[in-house]
Amino acid sequence: KAGVTQTPRYLIKTRGQQVTLSCSPISGHRSVSWYQQTPGQGLQFLFEYFSETQRNKGNFPGRFSGRQFSNSRSEMNVSTLELGDSALYLCASSLALGVTGGEQYFGPGTRLTVT
Amino acid sequence: GQQLNQSPQSMFIQEGEDVSMNCTSSSIFNTWLWYKQDPGEGPVLLIALYKAGELTSNGRLTAQFGITRKDSFLNISASIPSDVGIYFCAGSSGNTPLVFGKGTRLSVIA
Repeated sequence: KAGVTQTPRYLIKTRGQQVTLSCSPISGHRSVSWYQQTPGQGLQFLFEYFSETQRNKGNFPGRFSGRQFSNSRSEMNVSTLELGDSALYLCASSLALGVTGGEQYFGPGTRLTVT
Repeated sequence: GQQLNQSPQSMFIQEGEDVSMNCTSSSIFNTWLWYKQDPGEGPVLLIALYKAGELTSNGRLTAQFGITRKDSFLNISASIPSDVGIYFCAGSSGNTPLVFGKGTRLSVIA
């Protein structure tokens, strides 16, 4: 069974631009969560989608948004990029909502660099 | 919000030695997960724990869900070079998002 895939793997953007990252969950998984990983803050939860609805949201500004499609694939968007948005963005999928819905499996991440 | 304290932050050990690391929480969790992350990759799930007192093994790895439900431990026996990486604990109290520790960076000296 294929794992979680994320595209692109690497991205370089300039301040003020916007970016869209994509995540395809494991087949049959309906929940997708997004995390930001930086050396200083570690892994921080962004949001979780289940059945095309955002179910949980972390403490990030409104510039960070996402959506989920009917096939469970998810995208996250960051508008008006700032230098501090440089990070590894990780997507994780699970069968259902939250940890009670099964363990989360991570993709390889998208390395975003903002210059 | 919930906080996870993971220790130690880093470890340098000789190949063949056993390793122990732990996480403590400021609040009660229903689930503890342990992940390993290699450079440039996403975290890989090692062990999942769902019951207080539970002890679970995965090869040379053993993890325990603390009785107080506020802590968890991961032990690695007879370490080998491929154990190098960053180990993360993560916890959840139900349908709430996972909270991650800051990680333990393990280096193995051959």
